[in-house]
Amino acid sequence: ETGVTQSPTHLIKTRGQQVTLRCSSQSGHNTVSWYQQALGQGPQFIFQYYREEENGRGNFPPRFSGLQFPNYSSELNVNALELDDSALYLCASSSQGSDTQYFGPGTRLTVL
Amino acid sequence: GENVEQHPSTLSVQEGDSAVIKCTYSDSASNYFPWYKQELGKGPQLIIDIRSNVGEKKDQRIAVTLNKTAKHFSLHITETQPEDSAVYFCAASGSRGSTLGRLYFGRGTQLTVWP
Repeated sequence: ETGVTQSPTHLIKTRGQQVTLRCSSQSGHNTVSWYQQALGQGPQFIFQYYREEENGRGNFPPRFSGLQFPNYSSELNVNALELDDSALYLCASSSQGSDTQYFGPGTRLTVL
Repeated sequence: GENVEQHPSTLSVQEGDSAVIKCTYSDSASNYFPWYKQELGKGPQLIIDIRSNVGEKKDQRIAVTLNKTAKHFSLHITETQPEDSAVYFCAASGSRGSTLGRLYFGRGTQLTVWP
């Protein structure tokens, strides 16, 4: 069984740029959630995708957007990057109807 | 929305001692409470979880208790080992409304186990 994978592992961008992060869900899981984890904090829910549609969103502005593909993999896109967007971005997968979420290793984004 | 508070923020114990981490939550609709362990440079790893129809759950050296009336739950680690050193997060999630499918995390506890 393959776990949750994310790419890239690290990324450095400058203010105003755009970034795309990728996630492959665990085998058999059809729901993907994205979280932002600032240094020294707990993860914060960004949004969740199920059947290629957004299925719930946290308190993040519209410049945070996502996609889910037919193979259940997902992308997180962030436009007009700000310094405060520097964080570890985590993807978690789960089965529909299950509240148990399994996390990937994360992508460390640094905005200069 | 849900608010999860976690204490203490740091915890140091001697190898072999027990460690207890406590969390409170605000939304009575929350009914799922997982605990995650995060090592440096890695994603959170699920170590144990409990649902609201159960008061206590144990898995080897790890146990979790839940008091729904008081809205608090705790992680207990017995016979701690140096490899237990990590940041531990509690979380809460519900099955309806604004808490559906999303985890609300505490701020984490840095556990250090000294040999």
